[in-house]
Amino acid sequence: DAGITQSPRHKVTETGTPVTLRCHQTENHRYMYWYRQDPGHGLRLIHYSYGVKDTDKGEVSDGYSVSRSKTEDFLLTLESATSSQTSVYFCAISERIGSGANVLTFGAGSRLTVL
Amino acid sequence: SQKIEQNSEALNIQEGKTATLTCNYTNYSPAYLQWYRQDPGRGPVFLLLIRENEKEKRKERLKVTFDTTLKQSLFHITASQPADSATYLCALSLRNSGNTPLVFGKGTRLSVIA
Repeated sequence: DAGITQSPRHKVTETGTPVTLRCHQTENHRYMYWYRQDPGHGLRLIHYSYGVKDTDKGEVSDGYSVSRSKTEDFLLTLESATSSQTSVYFCAISERIGSGANVLTFGAGSRLTVL
Repeated sequence: SQKIEQNSEALNIQEGKTATLTCNYTNYSPAYLQWYRQDPGRGPVFLLLIRENEKEKRKERLKVTFDTTLKQSLFHITASQPADSATYLCALSLRNSGNTPLVFGKGTRLSVIA
């Protein structure tokens, strides 16, 4: 168990308000990812991190920022939430398996509704 | 453009039969392909991985094939059970650099009917 905790698990907010989602891991994994999942689109990468203060953009990064000031925490911020950002957000860490490849372990998800 | 497609959004199958799910991709050269299972309200869970130089991988009732010429992977569940009902996602790793972010298909929702 990679020990990934996402918070909050559910949030309802209004358009234009800032929102921060937190992903916390307990096993010192270097790589962390934020995906969003929407009907008809599947999982899409927002941002990822390959170390403290090292982050990069994914496929759908517009309107999102991230920060990683500690190995264990990866924060996703919506500076000014819009209704199009209503989604389920998943955090993931990358783990090496026996064959030497890396697979993802996901958190339970954070459901965000922007009214 | 680059695309990863899973053959159908939903698949219904009778208990005891073999379920076959398809993942096709275009304009990618994946180092390996992974399959995940997702239950409602939960995050995806890793099931199997197959490398570009492997033809087939098995794990209990699961079997994955990978044909880089056809650009296709097939995921089989033999002797399917109602507990196998879930959404199954395929994902590509695009380079051999290990931690390259995965690209996911939209998933196929499998329902196994008793």
